[in-house]
Amino acid sequence: DVVMTQSPLSLPVTLGQPASISCRSSQSLIYSDGNTYLSWFQQRPGQSPRRLIYKVSNRDSGVPDRFSGSGSGTDFTLKISRVEAEDVGVYYCMQGTYWPWTFGQGTKVEIK
Amino acid sequence: EVQLVESGGGLVQPGGSLRLSCAASGFTFSSYWMSWVRQAPGKGLEWVANINQGGTEKYHVDSVKGRFTISRDNAKNSLYLQMNSLRAEDTAVYYCGRHGTRSCDYWGQGTLVTVSS
Repeated sequence: DVVMTQSPLSLPVTLGQPASISCRSSQSLIYSDGNTYLSWFQQRPGQSPRRLIYKVSNRDSGVPDRFSGSGSGTDFTLKISRVEAEDVGVYYCMQGTYWPWTFGQGTKVEIK
Repeated sequence: EVQLVESGGGLVQPGGSLRLSCAASGFTFSSYWMSWVRQAPGKGLEWVANINQGGTEKYHVDSVKGRFTISRDNAKNSLYLQMNSLRAEDTAVYYCGRHGTRSCDYWGQGTLVTVSS
């Protein structure tokens, strides 16, 4: 199985400041169709996961533009340009290139 | 509005069975792959199973293979997960999800399965 490794696992941030989460895969996530199926999910406390980003850098409808995704191959990053209070929660990267689809361990974002 | 509503969770003894259901609305259910994803208490997310639009292609993670079966009824806009030979480590919130671009773009609120004697 493809192993997804996130860092850091805990991220205390100051309101209004940027935040960055790294995700590395144990093998390249380029699919046979040429696309890279790396997604990011946000899970607020007590809620279901919500997809923020798909195919590395495409924001889902309704996702604020302060969230951005980047990367290629095996190294990916989720950035929040200015953290707001509603961004508190756990963030997961996920690869959909190989079955079984696998998630990173999660990064807990909290306000300092 | 896309809605996914899971049901069927509960407390079951080790070795027992449960059938989870997911009622879909707000989209053409028969046009989408669907998934089950689970989350053990206080833990991360684990993909459990995928099924294609017609129910002819199914994938199950190794840890549930031979015990769990994903299925669907497009006439009823419903997704199912039949869980047999349940173990303590199957205790989790089970989410159904609609596929979009090889991940899930919509998720239900989840249903809790507790396996304990």
